[in-house]
Amino acid sequence: AQRVTQPEKLLSVFKGAPVELKCNYSYSGSPELFWYVQYSRQRLQLLLRHISRESIKGFTADLNKGETSFHLKKPFAQEEDSAMYYCALRDSGGSNYKLTFGKGTLLTVNP
Amino acid sequence: DAGITQSPRYKITETGRQVTLMCHQTWSHSYMFWYRQDLGHGLRLIYYSAAADITDKGEVPDGYVVSRSKTENFPLTLESATRSQTSVYFCASSEPPYEEQFFGPGTRLTVL
Repeated sequence: AQRVTQPEKLLSVFKGAPVELKCNYSYSGSPELFWYVQYSRQRLQLLLRHISRESIKGFTADLNKGETSFHLKKPFAQEEDSAMYYCALRDSGGSNYKLTFGKGTLLTVNP
Repeated sequence: DAGITQSPRYKITETGRQVTLMCHQTWSHSYMFWYRQDLGHGLRLIYYSAAADITDKGEVPDGYVVSRSKTENFPLTLESATRSQTSVYFCASSEPPYEEQFFGPGTRLTVL
């Protein structure tokens, strides 16, 4: 069974500090990994996906298959980054397009 | 409005009552999903649908029923609500082969 683990429920950093939100997964097949974000009073939305290898709002994430990790990083956190972040996994060989989400990490960026 | 909408946004009901949460999308996406969001559990998939008249169970389907007679609608029914079903419910849709799921604003359900 596939599983996504986000070990930190809460993460608090100061503005301008680096931030890393951890995500580990267990899956025997070939996974696709995503980060979704939910800002206060807003909908859950896609932040980035590993296959596009893009940087969104200064965030990057690299899929490390050896360590089965997909950590989200930003070198200089901003107050507007405060939100709930979810890591999610999809079976790239599957046909049902289901996502398995982690339990989420609430990031607070203090001024 | 274009996009994905949910109704009602807030609902309070009593144990044993039947409740239906509505989800409507205007993109004609083939896939639709229902999740519940609970503190300490994150998002868990209840049911999903690959197309009209095709539905399948997710991780936590017990106590819920879905239907999809039209592509744009995917209602979720709690046949006999229980306190453990107090949660925030999110509907989402996607269109293969694009992986992104688009989420609705959520329905906060309280079962007394």
